[in-house]
Amino acid sequence: DTAVSQTPKYLVTQMGNDKSIKCEQNLGHDTMYWYKQDSKKFLKIMFSYNNKELIINETVPNRFSPKSPDKAHLNLHINSLELGDSAVYFCASSPNTGQGTQYFGPGTRLTVL
Amino acid sequence: AQSVTQPDIHITVSEGASLELRCNYSYGATPYLFWYVQSPGQGLQLLLKYFSGDTLVQGIKGFEAEFKRSQSSFNLRKPSVHWSDAAEYFCAALPRSSGDKLTFGTGTRLAVRP
Repeated sequence: DTAVSQTPKYLVTQMGNDKSIKCEQNLGHDTMYWYKQDSKKFLKIMFSYNNKELIINETVPNRFSPKSPDKAHLNLHINSLELGDSAVYFCASSPNTGQGTQYFGPGTRLTVL
Repeated sequence: AQSVTQPDIHITVSEGASLELRCNYSYGATPYLFWYVQSPGQGLQLLLKYFSGDTLVQGIKGFEAEFKRSQSSFNLRKPSVHWSDAAEYFCAALPRSSGDKLTFGTGTRLAVRP
């Protein structure tokens, strides 16, 4: 049983397209996150949601829009993709805000051509 | 500014040798501290964490880490490295008082020599 899952694992697309990445957790956690890992492996938080409510929005371009239909899902939609969006995107979850341990999904490698 | 520093970008050790990966943090108050491992093409797996109490923390896969407040450090150790330990290791910190902004170090890539 995968605790935090993401689809797709790989995503290759053209500049200007719109794409979505889906994330689901079956841990019963209330808080979910999106992180971006750049080509130098640097990891930075993008968003966090607690029980479907946006908590953290880290100066991410508004082309990125997270959506949480329920507390087990946090999807990331990206409009008008740019070359610089190429990265690995990780979803994570934790029991609640400020509860410490975050559990990560396997990542989605996005390549924009 | 709050930050996590991993001074070693790349480390190579021989299989069976001991390992220490360094991590220093800069926070006003001691944060929660974590070590994660990322194997090639894989996600991040939690190795261990420090919240409070005993400063020597045991984790999975035979790893341990020692919290030293005086040095603002949380170094990861393993007494005998296996070839399967080759991966990228990330130290991370989470402020106790301000929610969920987990800050990662830049990572240390571990190579294991046969």
